Amino acid sequence: DIVMTQSPDSLAVSLGERATINCKSSQSLLYRSNNKNYFAWYQQRPGQPPKLLIQWASTRESGVPDRFSGSGSGTDFTLTINSLQAEDVAVYYCQQYYSVPLTFGGGTKVEIK
Amino acid sequence: DVRLVESGGGLVQPGGSLRLSCAASGFTFSTYWMNWLRQAPGKGLEWVANIKEDGTEAKYVASVRGRFTISRDNTNNALYLQMHSLRVEDSAVYYCARDVRAVDSPYNCFDPWGQGTLVTVSS
Repeated sequence: DIVMTQSPDSLAVSLGERATINCKSSQSLLYRSNNKNYFAWYQQRPGQPPKLLIQWASTRESGVPDRFSGSGSGTDFTLTINSLQAEDVAVYYCQQYYSVPLTFGGGTKVEIK
Repeated sequence: DVRLVESGGGLVQPGGSLRLSCAASGFTFSTYWMNWLRQAPGKGLEWVANIKEDGTEAKYVASVRGRFTISRDNTNNALYLQMHSLRVEDSAVYYCARDVRAVDSPYNCFDPWGQGTLVTVSS
Protein backbone atom coordinates (compact mmCIF):
# COMPACT_ATOMS: atom_id res chain seq x y z
CA ASP A 1 0.00 0.00 0.00
CA ILE A 2 1.16 3.57 -0.68
CA VAL A 3 1.52 5.51 2.57
CA MET A 4 0.75 9.24 2.46
CA THR A 5 2.35 11.37 5.17
CA GLN A 6 1.16 14.94 5.71
CA SER A 7 2.85 17.69 7.66
CA PRO A 8 2.22 19.54 9.81
CA ASP A 9 -0.72 18.00 11.67
CA SER A 10 -2.05 21.48 12.29
CA LEU A 11 -1.13 25.10 11.72
CA ALA A 12 -2.46 28.49 12.70
CA VAL A 13 -2.09 31.31 10.20
CA SER A 14 -3.13 34.94 10.39
CA LEU A 15 -5.80 36.19 8.02
CA GLY A 16 -4.21 37.29 4.77
CA GLU A 17 -1.05 35.25 5.34
CA ARG A 18 0.13 32.10 3.56
CA ALA A 19 -0.47 28.51 4.66
CA THR A 20 1.70 25.69 3.35
CA ILE A 21 0.85 21.99 3.72
CA ASN A 22 3.14 19.17 2.67
CA CYS A 23 2.42 15.59 1.66
CA LYS A 24 4.91 12.84 0.98
CA SER A 25 4.11 9.49 -0.62
CA SER A 26 5.99 6.26 0.03
CA GLN A 27 6.47 5.74 -3.71
CA SER A 28 6.35 7.87 -6.82
CA LEU A 29 2.90 8.90 -8.05
CA LEU A 30 4.21 9.96 -11.45
CA TYR A 31 2.90 7.74 -14.24
CA ARG A 32 5.60 8.00 -16.88
CA SER A 33 3.43 7.10 -19.90
CA ASN A 34 1.35 10.27 -19.52
CA ASN A 35 3.66 12.33 -17.25
CA LYS A 36 0.85 12.85 -14.73
CA ASN A 37 0.99 12.68 -10.96
CA TYR A 38 -1.96 10.69 -9.60
CA PHE A 39 -2.41 12.98 -6.61
CA ALA A 40 -5.23 15.14 -5.23
CA TRP A 41 -6.01 17.61 -2.44
CA TYR A 42 -9.33 17.91 -0.57
CA GLN A 43 -10.80 20.43 1.84
CA GLN A 44 -13.15 19.32 4.61
CA ARG A 45 -14.89 22.09 6.48
CA PRO A 46 -16.42 21.29 9.89
CA GLY A 47 -19.53 19.15 9.57
CA GLN A 48 -19.19 18.84 5.81
CA PRO A 49 -18.05 16.09 3.43
CA PRO A 50 -14.70 16.55 1.72
CA LYS A 51 -14.50 18.71 -1.38
CA LEU A 52 -12.02 18.12 -4.18
CA LEU A 53 -9.74 21.13 -4.62
CA ILE A 54 -6.93 19.96 -6.88
CA GLN A 55 -6.26 16.91 -9.01
CA TRP A 56 -3.21 15.83 -11.01
CA ALA A 57 -1.17 17.56 -8.29
CA SER A 58 -1.71 21.07 -9.66
CA THR A 59 -5.02 21.32 -11.58
CA ARG A 60 -7.51 23.39 -9.64
CA GLU A 61 -11.16 22.33 -9.81
CA SER A 62 -13.70 24.70 -11.31
CA GLY A 63 -14.86 27.23 -8.75
CA VAL A 64 -11.89 26.81 -6.43
CA PRO A 65 -10.36 30.22 -5.64
CA ASP A 66 -6.99 30.86 -7.23
CA ARG A 67 -5.40 31.46 -3.81
CA PHE A 68 -5.25 27.64 -3.64
CA SER A 69 -2.38 26.12 -5.59
CA GLY A 70 -0.78 22.70 -5.75
CA SER A 71 2.76 21.82 -6.69
CA GLY A 72 5.22 18.95 -6.60
CA SER A 73 5.92 15.72 -8.44
CA GLY A 74 6.95 12.16 -7.77
CA THR A 75 6.80 11.74 -4.01
CA ASP A 76 6.67 15.29 -2.62
CA PHE A 77 3.70 17.62 -2.94
CA THR A 78 2.60 20.96 -1.50
CA LEU A 79 -0.71 22.77 -1.10
CA THR A 80 -0.35 26.53 -0.73
CA ILE A 81 -3.15 28.80 0.41
CA ASN A 82 -2.22 32.40 -0.33
CA SER A 83 -3.92 35.17 1.63
CA LEU A 84 -5.82 32.91 4.03
CA GLN A 85 -9.51 33.72 4.44
CA ALA A 86 -11.83 32.84 7.32
CA GLU A 87 -13.71 30.35 5.13
CA ASP A 88 -10.48 28.39 4.58
CA VAL A 89 -10.59 27.03 8.14
CA ALA A 90 -10.79 23.31 7.49
CA VAL A 91 -8.91 20.05 7.47
CA TYR A 92 -6.99 19.40 4.27
CA TYR A 93 -6.24 15.90 3.00
CA CYS A 94 -3.99 14.59 0.28
CA GLN A 95 -4.84 11.44 -1.68
CA GLN A 96 -3.05 9.19 -4.13
CA TYR A 97 -4.90 7.47 -6.94
CA TYR A 98 -1.88 5.74 -8.48
CA SER A 99 -2.76 2.35 -7.06
CA VAL A 100 -5.39 0.47 -5.07
CA PRO A 101 -6.00 0.76 -2.18
CA LEU A 102 -6.54 4.45 -2.78
CA THR A 103 -5.06 6.15 0.26
CA PHE A 104 -5.16 9.48 2.07
CA GLY A 105 -2.83 11.44 4.26
CA GLY A 106 -3.76 11.92 7.89
CA GLY A 107 -4.98 15.48 7.40
CA THR A 108 -3.79 18.96 8.30
CA LYS A 109 -6.01 21.24 10.36
CA VAL A 110 -5.78 24.91 9.37
CA GLU A 111 -6.92 27.50 11.89
CA ILE A 112 -6.81 31.27 12.19
CA LYS A 113 -4.13 32.69 14.45
CA ASP B 1 -27.12 19.27 -9.98
CA VAL B 2 -25.19 16.12 -9.16
CA ARG B 3 -26.51 14.68 -5.91
CA LEU B 4 -25.62 11.67 -3.76
CA VAL B 5 -27.76 10.76 -0.76
CA GLU B 6 -26.74 7.97 1.59
CA SER B 7 -29.06 6.06 3.89
CA GLY B 8 -29.15 2.90 5.99
CA GLY B 9 -26.77 3.78 8.80
CA GLY B 10 -27.54 3.08 12.43
CA LEU B 11 -26.54 1.24 15.58
CA VAL B 12 -25.60 -2.43 15.21
CA GLN B 13 -24.01 -4.95 17.55
CA PRO B 14 -20.56 -6.41 16.84
CA GLY B 15 -20.93 -9.31 14.43
CA GLY B 16 -24.08 -7.84 12.94
CA SER B 17 -24.95 -6.75 9.42
CA LEU B 18 -26.09 -3.56 7.76
CA ARG B 19 -26.83 -2.47 4.21
CA LEU B 20 -26.07 1.07 3.12
CA SER B 21 -27.65 2.70 0.08
CA CYS B 22 -26.72 5.72 -2.01
CA ALA B 23 -29.24 7.37 -4.33
CA ALA B 24 -27.60 9.18 -7.24
CA SER B 25 -29.08 11.87 -9.45
CA GLY B 26 -28.04 14.61 -11.85
CA PHE B 27 -25.57 12.58 -13.92
CA THR B 28 -25.39 9.44 -16.06
CA PHE B 29 -24.81 6.98 -13.22
CA SER B 30 -23.99 4.03 -15.45
CA THR B 31 -20.89 5.72 -16.88
CA TYR B 32 -18.97 6.26 -13.63
CA TRP B 33 -17.03 4.09 -11.21
CA MET B 34 -18.53 4.66 -7.76
CA ASN B 35 -16.98 4.51 -4.31
CA TRP B 36 -17.62 4.06 -0.62
CA LEU B 37 -15.33 5.83 1.82
CA ARG B 38 -15.50 6.22 5.58
CA GLN B 39 -14.37 8.48 8.37
CA ALA B 40 -14.26 7.35 11.99
CA PRO B 41 -15.31 10.06 14.48
CA GLY B 42 -12.57 12.68 14.71
CA LYS B 43 -10.32 10.70 12.37
CA GLY B 44 -9.13 10.82 8.79
CA LEU B 45 -10.52 9.50 5.52
CA GLU B 46 -10.36 5.88 4.38
CA TRP B 47 -11.36 4.53 0.98
CA VAL B 48 -13.38 1.33 1.42
CA ALA B 49 -14.38 0.01 -2.00
CA ASN B 50 -15.19 0.92 -5.57
CA ILE B 51 -17.17 -0.65 -8.38
CA LYS B 52 -16.91 -0.52 -12.16
CA GLU B 53 -19.57 1.21 -14.25
CA ASP B 54 -21.33 -2.05 -15.16
CA GLY B 55 -20.83 -3.70 -11.79
CA THR B 56 -18.56 -6.45 -13.13
CA GLU B 57 -15.47 -5.47 -11.15
CA ALA B 58 -14.96 -4.28 -7.58
CA LYS B 59 -12.00 -3.51 -5.37
CA TYR B 60 -11.74 -3.34 -1.59
CA VAL B 61 -9.41 -2.20 1.14
CA ALA B 62 -7.92 -5.24 2.86
CA SER B 63 -9.63 -4.61 6.22
CA VAL B 64 -13.13 -5.14 4.75
CA ARG B 65 -12.44 -7.70 2.01
CA GLY B 66 -14.59 -10.78 2.57
CA ARG B 67 -16.95 -8.94 4.94
CA PHE B 68 -18.27 -6.07 2.78
CA THR B 69 -19.77 -6.23 -0.71
CA ILE B 70 -20.26 -3.23 -2.97
CA SER B 71 -22.95 -3.43 -5.65
CA ARG B 72 -24.99 -1.17 -7.88
CA ASP B 73 -28.32 -0.94 -9.70
CA ASN B 74 -27.89 1.15 -12.82
CA THR B 75 -31.61 1.00 -13.59
CA ASN B 76 -32.43 2.79 -10.36
CA ASN B 77 -29.21 4.84 -10.05
CA ALA B 78 -28.34 3.27 -6.73
CA LEU B 79 -25.13 2.16 -5.02
CA TYR B 80 -25.03 -0.27 -2.12
CA LEU B 81 -22.65 -1.51 0.56
CA GLN B 82 -23.59 -4.75 2.28
CA MET B 83 -21.65 -5.08 5.51
CA HIS B 84 -21.36 -8.31 7.50
CA SER B 85 -19.40 -9.36 10.61
CA LEU B 86 -19.23 -5.75 11.69
CA ARG B 87 -16.54 -4.75 14.17
CA VAL B 88 -16.28 -1.83 16.58
CA GLU B 89 -13.54 -0.41 14.35
CA ASP B 90 -15.99 -0.21 11.43
CA SER B 91 -17.83 2.60 13.25
CA ALA B 92 -17.67 5.67 11.01
CA VAL B 93 -19.53 8.05 8.76
CA TYR B 94 -19.79 6.25 5.43
CA TYR B 95 -19.69 8.40 2.31
CA CYS B 96 -20.74 7.58 -1.21
CA ALA B 97 -18.59 9.36 -3.79
CA ARG B 98 -18.43 9.47 -7.55
CA ASP B 99 -15.21 9.25 -9.51
CA VAL B 100 -14.31 12.72 -10.70
CA ARG B 101 -14.35 11.66 -14.34
CA ALA B 102 -16.06 8.96 -16.40
CA VAL B 103 -13.10 6.83 -17.37
CA ASP B 104 -12.94 3.05 -17.16
CA SER B 105 -10.34 2.95 -14.42
CA PRO B 106 -10.40 2.28 -10.67
CA TYR B 107 -7.63 4.86 -10.19
CA ASN B 108 -9.34 8.16 -9.62
CA CYS B 109 -10.13 10.90 -7.17
CA PHE B 110 -13.59 11.69 -5.91
CA ASP B 111 -16.13 14.38 -6.63
CA PRO B 112 -18.78 14.87 -5.46
CA TRP B 113 -19.37 13.23 -2.09
CA GLY B 114 -22.65 12.65 -0.32
CA GLN B 115 -23.34 13.96 3.17
CA GLY B 116 -22.68 10.55 4.71
CA THR B 117 -24.52 8.10 6.94
CA LEU B 118 -23.31 7.17 10.43
CA VAL B 119 -22.67 3.54 11.33
CA THR B 120 -22.08 2.75 14.99
CA VAL B 121 -20.98 -0.74 15.98
CA SER B 122 -21.39 -1.20 19.70
CA SER B 123 -22.83 -3.61 22.23
